[in-house]
Amino acid sequence: EAGVVQSPRYKIIEKKQPVAFWCNPISGHNTLYWYRQNLGQGPELLIRYENEEAVDDSQLPKDRFSAERLKGVDSTLKIQPAELGDSAVYLCASSSGAPGANVLTFGAGSRLTVL
Amino acid sequence: AQSVSQHNHHVILSEAASLELGCNYSYGGTVNLFWYVQYPGQHLQLLLKYFSGDPLVKGIKGFEAEFIKSKFSFNLRKPSVQWSDTAEYFCAVSLNTDKLIFGTGTRLQVFP
Repeated sequence: EAGVVQSPRYKIIEKKQPVAFWCNPISGHNTLYWYRQNLGQGPELLIRYENEEAVDDSQLPKDRFSAERLKGVDSTLKIQPAELGDSAVYLCASSSGAPGANVLTFGAGSRLTVL
Repeated sequence: AQSVSQHNHHVILSEAASLELGCNYSYGGTVNLFWYVQYPGQHLQLLLKYFSGDPLVKGIKGFEAEFIKSKFSFNLRKPSVQWSDTAEYFCAVSLNTDKLIFGTGTRLQVFP
């Protein structure tokens, strides 16, 4: 069974440029998460989807970040324009467990460097 | 606000030494508890989890963790570490919203 697939693995851009990350969750997993992991820190939740609905986006900086999961499967996270402080690893995870008993499976992450 | 504290930021051990990594959380309600591991160059993987029942949880690769509710702790242990255990270890807590809150991680280096 394929795991959570993310692309690109690495991206280097100049500040003010746009960037997009793509995630394909495990087949059948209805819940999809985007996390951001800064250097030396643990992952922090940006947004959580239940199927195509964003049910928790309270930590998503909405002035420059956007996300979508149009058909309830793949998801895209976009930053426009990128700032120096956005350099981090962007992790996608998915789960299918019962509420309150979820186990998240993570992808390899997309490492963003903003110059 | 809910938080997870991992007090050991960097641990260095020799092979066969015993390991205990601390994890404390601040939340008074029902929680689910996890330890994830990230080996060099790899993605986050689940090491073990606690939802309910026996507070002593066995995970993969000989790891175990004990949930002590009165201390709000979920410490990770292994009696004898191996060089291949070199990795970063993250404690995480989920509340009833399924939102995982991670600690800052502990980097473990094991020398042969």
